[in-house]
Amino acid sequence: QSVLTQPASVSGSPGQSITISCSGTSSDVGGYDYVSWYQQHPGKAPKLLIYEVTNRPSGISYRFSGSRSGNTASLTISGLQADDEADYYCSSYTTTSHWVFGGGTKVTVL
Amino acid sequence: QVRLVQSGAEVKKPGASVKVSCKASGYTFSTYNMHWVRQAPGQGLEWMAIFNPMGILTTYAPNFQGRIIVANDTSTNTVYMELSRLTSEDTAMYYCARDNNGWSVDYWGQGSLVIVSS
Repeated sequence: QSVLTQPASVSGSPGQSITISCSGTSSDVGGYDYVSWYQQHPGKAPKLLIYEVTNRPSGISYRFSGSRSGNTASLTISGLQADDEADYYCSSYTTTSHWVFGGGTKVTVL
Repeated sequence: QVRLVQSGAEVKKPGASVKVSCKASGYTFSTYNMHWVRQAPGQGLEWMAIFNPMGILTTYAPNFQGRIIVANDTSTNTVYMELSRLTSEDTAMYYCARDNNGWSVDYWGQGSLVIVSS
């Protein structure tokens, strides 16, 4: 069982926006700005989408955005595209100086 | 460009140990921490350890404490992860991944598949 809770699946039609939640506690998501999000296509290594809650690395589309409210972080994908179909993981630094991941969310583009 | 090149697939028997290597290039090796993350077939990501090449910090996840060792060879810019007392539940893809100095990973290795089977 993962420390961070994500929905198992989220779906949307092309062009729509979807949001994936990542629920933690004040000892991880809510306590530190070290929340990040990753996209993973089948058979590939994960790819960084968002770091430090809201920041996008160079080369990542503006369609991906991160936010946080209390102990829950969120990843929003706007203008959903076929290539966005993948697994998405959140992660966070924790009070015990560890790193934890969410269980992952499978995004389906209808 | 930054590259992390990992060692090849391994097949091990239960109770054995495995050592996976990760050779870094394209950046100053000593200035970035390295994570190890694994992913069992069809499962999510699981954090294993963070390692500082200068020996300042090594932290292991509680699930692996006591049977994981991460070390490096600064002369070859290579980090090693050794996992002992393997069981079938250790069958997974193992990734090394560079920390971007903010507890997130900006570069990943290609993964090393470890299969534990009698």
